[in-house]
Amino acid sequence: AQSVTQPDIHITVSEGASLELRCNYSYGATPYLFWYVQSPGQGLQLLLKYFSGDTLVQGIKGFEAEFKRSQSSFNLRKPSVHWSDAAEYFCAVGALGNTGKLIFGQGTTLQVKP
Amino acid sequence: SQTIHQWPATLVQPVGSPLSLECTVEGTSNPNLYWYRQAAGRGLQLLFYSVGIGQISSEVPQNLSASRPQDRQFILSSKKLLLSDSGFYLCALRRREVFFGEGSRLTVL
Repeated sequence: AQSVTQPDIHITVSEGASLELRCNYSYGATPYLFWYVQSPGQGLQLLLKYFSGDTLVQGIKGFEAEFKRSQSSFNLRKPSVHWSDAAEYFCAVGALGNTGKLIFGQGTTLQVKP
Repeated sequence: SQTIHQWPATLVQPVGSPLSLECTVEGTSNPNLYWYRQAAGRGLQLLFYSVGIGQISSEVPQNLSASRPQDRQFILSSKKLLLSDSGFYLCALRRREVFFGEGSRLTVL
């Protein structure tokens, strides 16, 4: 079955500390992988995506993610977290065929301590 | 670049009342359009998608329906709302990536 797992429901880090949000997926075909961020009451903003090529992808706001096929993972990282990064983060997997449907993880809520 | 407009942004409706949430897109033509629902404390669930005018695919059996009367318009409806229909509804479109609107928050009382 196709699924996305974000093992950490809630993470708290101190401002300036490094961050890693975990994402594992189960997908039968070649996966296309995404990370989205959602501020309270807002829609989802695309942080970064992986389609093919270099397995380390750079996104907006200083985020990066690494695709590891052997581990079925696509973890999101940031070297130094800012207070404005506090939000909910969603990992998603999909195919870019005709339907373009995405399967989302349950999300990880990031809290940033001053 | 494409933009997605959703309205109303918030809605409070009694159980048994009808629903209409509208999504319109600009800056693109013949997009794939999607309705996702986000229940409190949960991830996003795909409800419907459309690859063209009048073409609707339902992902989960439910009390809701969708229609696409125009290329850039996608409507989510219900004839009689249930309490379980409460949630945050997001319209999305696909180019190479999937982009989301700002959402419509529905509270059914």
